[in-house]
Formats: sequence, structure tokens, C-alpha cells
Amino acid sequence: SQQGEEDPQALSIQEGENATMNCSYKTSINNLQWYRQNSGRGLVHLILIRSNEREKHSGRLRVTLDTSKKSSSLLITASRAADTASYFCATDSQRNFGNEKLTFGTGTRLTIIP
Amino acid sequence: NAGVTQTPKFQVLKTGQSMTLQCAQDMNHNSMYWYRQDPGMGLRLIYYSASEGTTDKGEVPNGYNVSRLNKREFSLRLESAAPSQTSVYFCASSDFSGASSYNEQFFGPGTRLTVL
Repeated sequence: SQQGEEDPQALSIQEGENATMNCSYKTSINNLQWYRQNSGRGLVHLILIRSNEREKHSGRLRVTLDTSKKSSSLLITASRAADTASYFCATDSQRNFGNEKLTFGTGTRLTIIP
Repeated sequence: NAGVTQTPKFQVLKTGQSMTLQCAQDMNHNSMYWYRQDPGMGLRLIYYSASEGTTDKGEVPNGYNVSRLNKREFSLRLESAAPSQTSVYFCASSDFSGASSYNEQFFGPGTRLTVL
């Protein structure tokens, strides 16, 4: 079963605009990560936020986490054509040694229109 | 430093045929993973290996076997392929039990498998 679900499933915006996508999850987590996947490629890690953090920045990326609502958002500011990709959230809900697994959401397909 | 490599990139099988997908990483990571990605389903974990010599089932292990050959290599075998196994397969690795406390995963480029 999927732990995370992204919303919206697809998003198209003009270059230069900001893009916001959301992730909801079901069980308590220790960390939440966001990954990007360009078409036909593997996933690339973008940013990680711990359960005791509420906001984190990395370049043009801003991630927020609301553990009470079991949700996270990824904001990409000043979007570029190169940001066109699918974005996935992933949760790491079990931290026992030997049981390290991530559960991925279904993804948001972001298209930046030049 | 190649990261995570996978072979082959593409494969077409007939129902009932067998094949092995190869994965290798050169980052000295302890943990390795196999996922499948289907449209609208995100990534689903097939099997993983927390360390050399250990393997565990993920969410969708039926129809697959794995081997952690050594620390670098983790292979996925389809003994009798079925059309339902048509998918894109990704291998990943992480240093979860090493210096990093977090399970940041590094992915290979994927294998696109079609079973007719």
C-alpha cells in the first residue's frame, strides 16, 4: 500500500512561476524526503526533512512538514524548463536497524511551459 | 565514480522465460533495493538487502528472487516471466547504517522490461 500520495497528480505552469505540490501520508514518520525523476531516468534525492522540523530550504526548494496533518509540501520558486519532471515524496517510518525502507508516493508530474 | 549501474537497459521476454537483472554500486553502501514502477503507482519495493548476506521481502515480492552477491552487487531474477511483470525496474542503494543517519537512496537508470 502507498504511504504517500501527492497532489496534484499533474501541474503545468509558466516558466518563472512558483510550483507547489503536496504530499499526504498515513502513519507516523521519522523523516520525509522529496525526489525528482526526469523522464526515462532514475530518481534523484532533492531534500530531506526530519519529523521535528517544520520547514527547510535548499536553493529554490522549500519544504514544509506538518506532522499533525500528516502532510508536506514542496515549493519550487522561479521555475525553469529544467524543472520539468515528476516529483515524489518518500517516508521512512521504521528506523530499526536492518529494516530500512522507504515508501514512495504516486508522484506529481510537473511541466514548465517556456 | 559511476554510482548505481543497471543492466540491461531494455529487455523483451516471452511469457515463461527467465532472466536476471543486474545491479552494482560503487559507493560502498550497505543497503540495496529493487523497485518496480508502473504508471500511476509510484515505486513499489520488491526486495531489499540491508547488508551483504541478507535479503528481505518488500511490498510486491511474488514472482521474484534476489541475490546479494557481494557488497557491490544485488541481482533480481524472474524465474517465469508473466505479462503482469511488465514494468520499469529500478535498483537503489543507501548508506543507511553508515555515516549517514538517513536513508537517502541513490538510484540506477532503470531497466524497461516488457513481457509478451
